[in-house]
Amino acid sequence: NAGVTQTPKFRVLKTGQSMTLLCAQDMNHEYMYWYRQDPGMGLRLIHYSVGEGTTAKGEVPDGYNVSRLKKQNFLLGLESAAPSQTSVYFCASSYGEFNQPQHFGDGTRLSIL
Amino acid sequence: RKEVEQDPGPFNVPEGATVAFNCTYSNSASQSFFWYRQDCRKEPKLLMSVYSSGNEDGRFTAQLNRASQYISLLIRDSKLSDSATYLCVVIPNTGGFKTIFGAGTRLFVKA
Repeated sequence: NAGVTQTPKFRVLKTGQSMTLLCAQDMNHEYMYWYRQDPGMGLRLIHYSVGEGTTAKGEVPDGYNVSRLKKQNFLLGLESAAPSQTSVYFCASSYGEFNQPQHFGDGTRLSIL
Repeated sequence: RKEVEQDPGPFNVPEGATVAFNCTYSNSASQSFFWYRQDCRKEPKLLMSVYSSGNEDGRFTAQLNRASQYISLLIRDSKLSDSATYLCVVIPNTGGFKTIFGAGTRLFVKA
């Protein structure tokens, strides 16, 4: 009964380092999303995907890249981490957009020093 | 004006109280609505969908007012475990991906 699984749960990086966050879902959902959540800002969409092999930019895409090579996985990459990217990152998935709720992973807490 | 607005609160209520939150949206073409609950340092979890005719799930009642462009969440007989942040979600039917999460309303239920 995994649902949406994110790895890692916590990470500390130095400015300029790179890393990849992995999101995996076992619900056969077409749509997948990456959000960041900062205090007082609510959830902001970074990138999303409407199916295997497709990706699109969200509200705050700069500094991030994504890939959806397999339907069940959605990867978020930080090529050169900056302190402004310190945040909690949530992955979510859904069958579609309209009338389809999103199901979230339990988050990755990322600190950039 | 923000596309989706919520009173950030916090709402401080005693156990057993009834509390209501509103969420206003600016796009009249909005089609789908949800309420999520988020506990401190946890992921958002779906609480309930919001249907045009209003819907109820136990102590929770959700309503939609299209004329005034807001959705509401009513919690009756509040429990300590209801303490959380409540996020509204609005999805306009305007083409392209446009799901919008509100910033949330914090609720504290006290003994």
